[in-house]
Amino acid sequence: GGIITQTPKFLIGQEGQKLTLKCQQNFNHDTMYWYRQDSGKGLRLIYYSITENDLQKGDLSEGYDASREKKSSFSLTVTSAQKNEMAVFLCASSTWDWVNQDTQYFGPGTRLLVL
Amino acid sequence: AQKVTQTQTSISVMEKTTVTMDCVYETQDSSYFLFWYKQTASGEIVFLIRQDSYKKENATVGHYSLNFQKPKSSIGLIITATQIEDSAVYFCAMREDQGGRALIFGTGTTVSVSP
Repeated sequence: GGIITQTPKFLIGQEGQKLTLKCQQNFNHDTMYWYRQDSGKGLRLIYYSITENDLQKGDLSEGYDASREKKSSFSLTVTSAQKNEMAVFLCASSTWDWVNQDTQYFGPGTRLLVL
Repeated sequence: AQKVTQTQTSISVMEKTTVTMDCVYETQDSSYFLFWYKQTASGEIVFLIRQDSYKKENATVGHYSLNFQKPKSSIGLIITATQIEDSAVYFCAMREDQGGRALIFGTGTTVSVSP
C-alpha cells in the first residue's frame, strides 16, 4: 500500500498569479498524473509523466507547466491564474504490470480559488 | 475518438437493495481497460474495479460487480446490498492500450442511499 499527498489542500490566488501545486507518492509508482475537475464534471488530464524528467501533455495542458523532479514527486504550475477560476486539481499515480494494468490511484486534491 | 458516456445523472435507492448504473464507451482500439471509481463527499477518489477488454468474464470485487457487454460497448456497475456509505459519485473511465496512459472519464452518476 501507499499514499499520495497533495499540498496545499486549499489554494487561493490572485488573477495573473503563478501558482504551484505539489504531489508526493510513496507507492514507488513510475507514472504520475495531474487532472483537473470542475464542479459537477468528470476529470480531465492536464499532464502526466512516465518517469523522472519525462512530461506528456494531456488535453488540458495549455496554461499549465509541470515538473517531475524525482520519481516520487510531480509538481503542477498554473502559469497565470484566471479570475473567478475554481477547480479541484487531482494527482494520481500508477505502475504498469500485468496485475495492475496502470490502475491509477488518486490523492485527496488541491482546491483552487482565484479571486 | 475515445469517449465515455454516463447518461444517468443521479440514482436514489433504499439501503440493502441493488443499484445498477450505466456507462457506454467509444474506442477504435481492440484492447482497452475500463475502470470504475467512487468519489466520496469529501472529494476522495477511490478505485473500485477494473474490466480488461480481452476478458470474457465479468469482474467482481466485494459487493461490486460489472456487466460487460462488449458488442454494445457497455460496462455497467452493479452494487449489491447497498449501504449508506455507498452514497457517492461514481465515475466510469477508460484507458486504451495504444492510447498512452491517459484515463478518459465519464461525467459521473450520483448515488444516494437512504435508510
